Amino acid sequence: EAQVTQNPRYLITVTGKKLTVTCSQNMNHEYMSWYRQDPGLGLRQIYYSMNVEVTDKGDVPEGYKVSRKEKRNFPLILESPSPNQTSLYFCASSNPMETQYFGPGTRLLVL
Amino acid sequence: DQQVKQNSPSLSVQEGRISILNCDYTNSMFDYFLWYKKYPAEGPTFLISISSIKDKNEDGRFTVFLNKSAKHLSLHIVPSQPGDSAVYFCAASAFTGGTSYGKLTFGQGTILTVHP
Repeated sequence: EAQVTQNPRYLITVTGKKLTVTCSQNMNHEYMSWYRQDPGLGLRQIYYSMNVEVTDKGDVPEGYKVSRKEKRNFPLILESPSPNQTSLYFCASSNPMETQYFGPGTRLLVL
Repeated sequence: DQQVKQNSPSLSVQEGRISILNCDYTNSMFDYFLWYKKYPAEGPTFLISISSIKDKNEDGRFTVFLNKSAKHLSLHIVPSQPGDSAVYFCAASAFTGGTSYGKLTFGQGTILTVHP
């Protein structure tokens, strides 16, 4: 089954404790992205990657890191999480000129 | 600066009637527009799209209209069904060669409730 998977689905952590949210797709897509969804703001793109080892900032990249060492994986790293990074995070993938497929979401709470 | 805006946070419609969801954008470079639907506890799923070379695209009960001069698009659902109750996001993209629609800008979303 074609899908985008994210882990964990739910995470509670404390300020400053490094965390990684994994994202994997099995559709051999070139593009992968991370978004966060906040009330009243919709989905905002954090980072995107056009291919292996090619990443670029989205609209709200501050406080986040990404890497794309393999085509199928695109982890989101929060080196020192802060409460304002409490949000619902979505990973997405697609091929050029095609629509994006989204994962199920990761709900993060930073205390 | 919100480049894509959905000014109605919610919309309530009776089953069988038409639902019209609206979206405005400010960036004239946007040339591809999409609507996504999102149920609770799930990721957004693609619904329908339209290129700037068209002013209408239809897929079953769903039709998207684009008015480039007004920088406005709308999604019409006819007839509306209770299963259509979800959050609808409008999104826009610009062909910039390198990113080729990899970068999407979303609106805030509109919660549609269809009553039986």
